[in-house]
Amino acid sequence: AQSVTQLGSHVSVSEGALVLLRCNYSSSVPPYLFWYVQYPNQGLQLLLKYTSAATLVKGINGFEAEFKKSETSFHLTKPSAHMSDAAEYFCAVWGAGGTSYGKLTFGQGTILTVHP
Amino acid sequence: DAGVIQSPRHEVTEMGQEVTLRCKPISGHDYLFWYRQTMMRGLELLIYFNNNVPIDDSGMPEDRFSAKMPNASFSTLKIQPSEPRDSAVYFCASSLSSGESGELFFGEGSRLTVL
Repeated sequence: AQSVTQLGSHVSVSEGALVLLRCNYSSSVPPYLFWYVQYPNQGLQLLLKYTSAATLVKGINGFEAEFKKSETSFHLTKPSAHMSDAAEYFCAVWGAGGTSYGKLTFGQGTILTVHP
Repeated sequence: DAGVIQSPRHEVTEMGQEVTLRCKPISGHDYLFWYRQTMMRGLELLIYFNNNVPIDDSGMPEDRFSAKMPNASFSTLKIQPSEPRDSAVYFCASSLSSGESGELFFGEGSRLTVL
């Protein structure tokens, strides 16, 4: 079975500071990994995805994530936080085989707060 | 382009009543997913369809829940009878199987409150 674990349910940063949201995955096959963002009272939107090409993936709004197989991690970063980045962020793994095939399994989410 | 459309956006009902949530996926998408989001359990996959056929319903909590997809442009999630513990935000999402596996497009959700 595939799963992701997000470390820290809440992260608070100052505007202009580095954003780091942590995600570790568990997968028996090479994973497809994703970060989604959810703004208040909205559905989830895809931020970026890793599908076994380049290990450093760039997404929308200045976010990027690096796939590190040795650490089974896929942490999300942004060099400089903006007030509009305040949202909940979800790491997810796509089931590429077995009983998980076709399923997108989400982590528990990390709420990002940005202070002026 | 229209995204995934869900209705109603908000539903307040009393315990024991039937609830029907509706979803119109993005035209041309062949996968449709129903998720439930709660504070306690996060995002849970309830069921998903491929080409209108249910593929995996192992996430459906119990027999009170049922989902149908009569055609490529419409799906329903029904709860009968509803209970207070069913209160949650229910999301519908669709995707195109070719190429972009895992890239789901979500609706804005239906917030259900069962009193």
